[in-house]
Parts: sequence; structure tokens; C-alpha cells
Amino acid sequence: QKEVEQDPGPLSVPEGAIVSLNCTYSNSAFQYFMWYRQYSRKGPELLMYTYSSGNKEDGRFTAQVDKSSKYISLFIRDSQPSDSATYLCAMSAFNAGGTSYGKLTFGQGTILTVHP
Amino acid sequence: GAVVSQHPSWVICKSGTSVKIECRSLDFQATTMFWYRQFPKQSLMLMATSNEGSKATYEQGVEKDKFLINHASLTLSTLTVTSAHPEDSSFYICSARDWNTGELFFGEGSRLTVL
Repeated sequence: QKEVEQDPGPLSVPEGAIVSLNCTYSNSAFQYFMWYRQYSRKGPELLMYTYSSGNKEDGRFTAQVDKSSKYISLFIRDSQPSDSATYLCAMSAFNAGGTSYGKLTFGQGTILTVHP
Repeated sequence: GAVVSQHPSWVICKSGTSVKIECRSLDFQATTMFWYRQFPKQSLMLMATSNEGSKATYEQGVEKDKFLINHASLTLSTLTVTSAHPEDSSFYICSARDWNTGELFFGEGSRLTVL
């Protein structure tokens, strides 16, 4: 079993739709949860960063973490064609002060297409 | 914002040759850099953790003699794929940790094709 499971999709939605992306994980030590967006042939860029359980909102993006269920989600409201990309969840067991910070475990990535 | 530069962004080489990929933090110092590999439609898999001035720590299953990592300065880490073979063809991505803020930044990636 992979440490992080993510449905690769692909997911295709019309412009303006609400998109729901999610990941499950098995390692209880994960405390830091991130969502990255990766355009084709590019490196990933950080979208959202959440510590422990709870919700975090940034513009059209909302990240949710449920540690009891080992389940995280990313919601995109009013989706735009420019949101079309691969979305990767990533997790870490170490905090920013730790020397191992930055060692991330990634999900497989979900390919999202938002069509006009 | 902080930038991590990778060079080359794209390289094609013959089987058996060695290829060096550079990862530079342009406006911050990075005591730790990470090297990932991403196959098509797959996730990023951590290969090794590179700490400035010390030996890299490799993940299980990654051959340290094949993937040589050097982190000689606070702004530069290099990955050398030695005696490359077609199965080494992949997208190699580095990330660098800002030693002041702890923030993590990814490079744009380097696509290696071995013929």
C-alpha cells in the first residue's frame, strides 16, 4: 500500500464548476499537508499549506485536513481554464524547524481539465 | 520571490554517457536540497537529500554510485547521472530549503532523455 493515495483522474469539468480533489494517507506521523499545482513540463508550485487538522482558505482555494480519517481535500471554486493542471498532494512528518523539513511524500497527482 | 534554477532544462544523451544537472538557489542560501524523479504520469519520488558540506542521504532503492550528488556550496547542488541508460530517462526536479525561513521552493525540472 502506498503511503499516499490520490486518484489520478483525469477529471474534466466545465468552467465555473466546483472542483474537489482529495488524498488519503496511511502514515499517522504526517502533520504538514500541502497541495501543489504542476503545469506540463514544469516544476510544482505550492498552492496551499496546512498544519494538522482543519480548514484553510485562500481566494478560490480551500484546503481541508481530517487527520482522524487520514483524508485531505482541496476545493477549487469558480474553476477557470487556467486551473487546468496536475494537482499533487504532499505530506511531511517534520516541522519547519527540523533538519529534515522538506522531505515530502507526494500523491500520484490528479490531472484536471477545465473546459470553457 | 525566491527562485530555484535548474540547468539544463532539457538534455538528450547517448546511453553510457554521464549527465550533470545543476540546481541553484538564486536569492537565498539553501543548506538542504532535495532531488526528486518523476516518470510520466507518476508522482514525484524522492531520490536523495543533499546537505551542504556533507554526504547526501539516499532513499531506499536509489543507487548512490549511479546518481552522484554534490552540494559544495549553500546555493548549488548537482546531480550526476553516471553511465546513463534509457530507463534513466525521466524528469528530475530539485527543491531547496531557505535556511533563514525554512520555506521550500522547487526548481522547474530537468528532462533527461537517454537514447
